Amino acid sequence: DQQVKQNSPSLSVQEGRISILNCDYTNSMFDYFLWYKKYPAEGPTFLISISSIKDKNEDGRFTVFLNKSAKHLSLHIVPSQPGDSAVYFCAANSGTYKYIFGTGTRLKVLA
Amino acid sequence: GAGVSQSPRYKVAKRGQDVALRCDPISGHVSLFWYQQALGQGPEFLTYFQNEAQLDKSGLPSDRFFAERPEGSVSTLKIQRTQQEDSAVYLCASSLSEDTQYFGPGTRLTVL
Repeated sequence: DQQVKQNSPSLSVQEGRISILNCDYTNSMFDYFLWYKKYPAEGPTFLISISSIKDKNEDGRFTVFLNKSAKHLSLHIVPSQPGDSAVYFCAANSGTYKYIFGTGTRLKVLA
Repeated sequence: GAGVSQSPRYKVAKRGQDVALRCDPISGHVSLFWYQQALGQGPEFLTYFQNEAQLDKSGLPSDRFFAERPEGSVSTLKIQRTQQEDSAVYLCASSLSEDTQYFGPGTRLTVL
């Protein structure tokens, strides 16, 4: 039973446009959410996080939106750059150390 | 660099062999985690240490898997009598406490 779902395995976006990556979760106890970026042959790199007491967190070109009623979060990248091409993982936890990861979305930014 | 390091980066083992994977966490990080990432999947939790104490090993798939962190810094994940289904990337992460986890590059294990 997948508690964190990333239903789009891949996404292609033109350079300079917005990339929107989506993540859904089923466990209402989750209260902290993170996005990680992963390049080939490297480990996941922390990108941005959001607590359930917020509905938006912004860091430069990256913004994460949380809709608790829909159990949905999204990562917006504006403007997208070729260096953003990577696999993006959504992760969630419920106030403990145990992260539950989605299966990832491969983003390709076209120059 | 001051990040999490793992060795070896790649390991090929014959079925039935024992393997040992090493993780050097970020200096000062109390918490250390091991994850297994199968092809096309996200990382899945294996085990958690706080200093030298293994507080959670609920994710270890079988008793062939064993992890230790005897001095509260470097950790080793050992897999005995490897099977083909053990082929995966093994990721180590560390954190100051229970906050953001920082990952190493992983060890890709291939069991033939």
